[in-house]
Amino acid sequence: NAGVTQTPKFQVLKTGQSMTLQCAQDMNHEYMSWYRQDPGMGLRLIHYSVGAGITDQGEVPNGYNVSRSTTEDFPLRLLSAAPSQTSVYFCASRTGRQPQHFGDGTRLSIL
Amino acid sequence: GQQLNQSPQSMFIQEGEDVSMNCTSSSIFNTWLWYKQDPGEGPVLLIALYKAGELTSNGRLTAQFGITRKDSFLNISASIPSDVGIYFCAGQPYSGGSNYKLTFGKGTLLTVNP
Repeated sequence: NAGVTQTPKFQVLKTGQSMTLQCAQDMNHEYMSWYRQDPGMGLRLIHYSVGAGITDQGEVPNGYNVSRSTTEDFPLRLLSAAPSQTSVYFCASRTGRQPQHFGDGTRLSIL
Repeated sequence: GQQLNQSPQSMFIQEGEDVSMNCTSSSIFNTWLWYKQDPGEGPVLLIALYKAGELTSNGRLTAQFGITRKDSFLNISASIPSDVGIYFCAGQPYSGGSNYKLTFGKGTLLTVNP
């Protein structure tokens, strides 16, 4: 999955803690998005951005914040982690009508 | 919102068999994509389809964009053990450029018995 880098790859949090999942792409893609993947649920869109300074909510935005200060970076923030946010998180980017490129994911457990 | 029905949910086949999976939508899509996800990794694009009726191959994989724009299928011929994984379809509606949202199917889990 060259081009979209996610960090960290694994994280364990306690309920109520906050953290930021990082996503960076070096392909100058204008569109970036965050998905969560849960068993049997497929990929669900959390937030997306169509360019620097522009973000919007996806299907499951509650409990998450995003910002897009640069074209390259699109961090996802959990302000107060809850067990229901235990999931695998994927960042993706694309340009125009081209297909999305995904990162390798962040596996997050909330205890 | 838009719904994508992907079937089957899972398949267990013998090495060498052919595989077919499909996605249907309640609305029209302008683009169909097929991804594969290996365990512990992110989805990787297999095939992209941009035109109704389009039939595209990538090695042993063949995918088609349905004439109605509401469906697509993926075939894998002569399966091998490394075909194991989750296969996702995704559709994008025509937007004129501003609608970014892809809709994903829930995936087909493929297991290949050597």
